[in-house]
Amino acid sequence: GIQVEQSPPDLILQEGANSTLRCNFSDSVNNLQWFHQNPWGQLINLFYIPSGTKQNGRLSATTVATERYSLLYISSSQTTDSGVYFCAGGWSYKYIFGTGTRLKVLA
Amino acid sequence: DAGITQSPRHKVTETGTPVTLRCHQTENHRYMYWYRQDPGHGLRLIHYSYGVKDTDKGEVSDGYSVSRSKTEDFLLTLESATSSQTSVYFCAISDYKTAPFNEKLFFGSGTQLSVL
Repeated sequence: GIQVEQSPPDLILQEGANSTLRCNFSDSVNNLQWFHQNPWGQLINLFYIPSGTKQNGRLSATTVATERYSLLYISSSQTTDSGVYFCAGGWSYKYIFGTGTRLKVLA
Repeated sequence: DAGITQSPRHKVTETGTPVTLRCHQTENHRYMYWYRQDPGHGLRLIHYSYGVKDTDKGEVSDGYSVSRSKTEDFLLTLESATSSQTSVYFCAISDYKTAPFNEKLFFGSGTQLSVL
């Protein structure tokens, strides 16, 4: 099956810094999404992005499907951005998750 | 919140006992999923459903069964719980290809299950 690798596994930032999180897939996918799990365990869908670039406030994501990777950009980070970021991909409606990037933003 | 309710929110049980977790949705979503989350493993797909009475296995289905007798409910059953099934269980829904711009995966709040 498809393997999903996320990097880096852990990241510590000072408030206001920018960061890039990466998601690599072992095989082609036609469905890719990014999620944020907050410190209370809630999973929030950030982007549905099988290809191209999308932006939502300080967050943006780019997927290059032909090269089997996706990037999540966080600009001007805030302490509320802390948590774990997951990417998930697959074919049609079946999704496989990476192991996540744990982000801590310091005030 | 996509109208997803998981119950119970927390459960403690003993090894060998049957356990059923419930996922209830109120917005007629076609696809429903059960994931488990464990440290170091991210979220792993247990079972999923693509319609009433239509289910299939995911990555880690051994020891689990599911049922979907009506659109709004997706049940996950541990026939004989083991300590390795201690985990946080998340239900999710999507409308892949059935509703425009509604292809995102949305999660419930999770069920913390402890098997002693």
